[in-house]
Amino acid sequence: QQQVKQSPQSLIVQKGGIPIINCAYENTAFDYFPWYQQFPGKGPALLIAIRPDVSEKKEGRFTISFNKSAKQFSLHIMDSQPGDSATYFCAASITSGSRLTFGEGTQLTVNP
Amino acid sequence: NAGVMQNPRHLVRRRGQEARLRCSPMKGHSHVYWYRQLPEEGLKFMVYLQKENIIDESGMPKERFSAEFPKEGPSILRIQQVVRGDSAAYFCASSPDRLEQYFGPGTRLTVT
Repeated sequence: QQQVKQSPQSLIVQKGGIPIINCAYENTAFDYFPWYQQFPGKGPALLIAIRPDVSEKKEGRFTISFNKSAKQFSLHIMDSQPGDSATYFCAASITSGSRLTFGEGTQLTVNP
Repeated sequence: NAGVMQNPRHLVRRRGQEARLRCSPMKGHSHVYWYRQLPEEGLKFMVYLQKENIIDESGMPKERFSAEFPKEGPSILRIQQVVRGDSAAYFCASSPDRLEQYFGPGTRLTVT
């Protein structure tokens, strides 16, 4: 019940495309959903996060869509660039506990 | 404001030796988390600490692993009698409010 399932495992898009990465969770107690970006040899960097009281949040070219009834959330990257090529992780936590449960990661490649 | 600092960045230990990993949180952050990332896998929670207290150690192996966050100085993750299966990247994250977690660059441990 603590799992977060992420798909796809890998994704290749052309520059300017809109990659979409999906995550699903089971534990309805989760109330905080961040996305992280990780480049090879680096630590994960917090991109954007959402709470379940909103259905969408946008920051720059990154948008999270959240569907509470389906227990799913997704990351959209608008106007993707080669510099966006990285591994993306979704995560979830219960704020009272605060440990993050991560998805398995999506390796995104944006071709020029 | 400097980010989360971890050292060493790379650590090589022979089987049976001890590994000490250090983490200095961001200024003003009193919550520290340790995660482990095995090759080609996502991040797994290990332990959550506040100053001088272990809050949640449910993800940490019962034997050989210990963590502390003293009143003064960095948080330490200690692995005694390392085995090859301990080879991984160990990431520390800090938070000001138990919600947003900011990750350090990681320590890559190799056990030979």
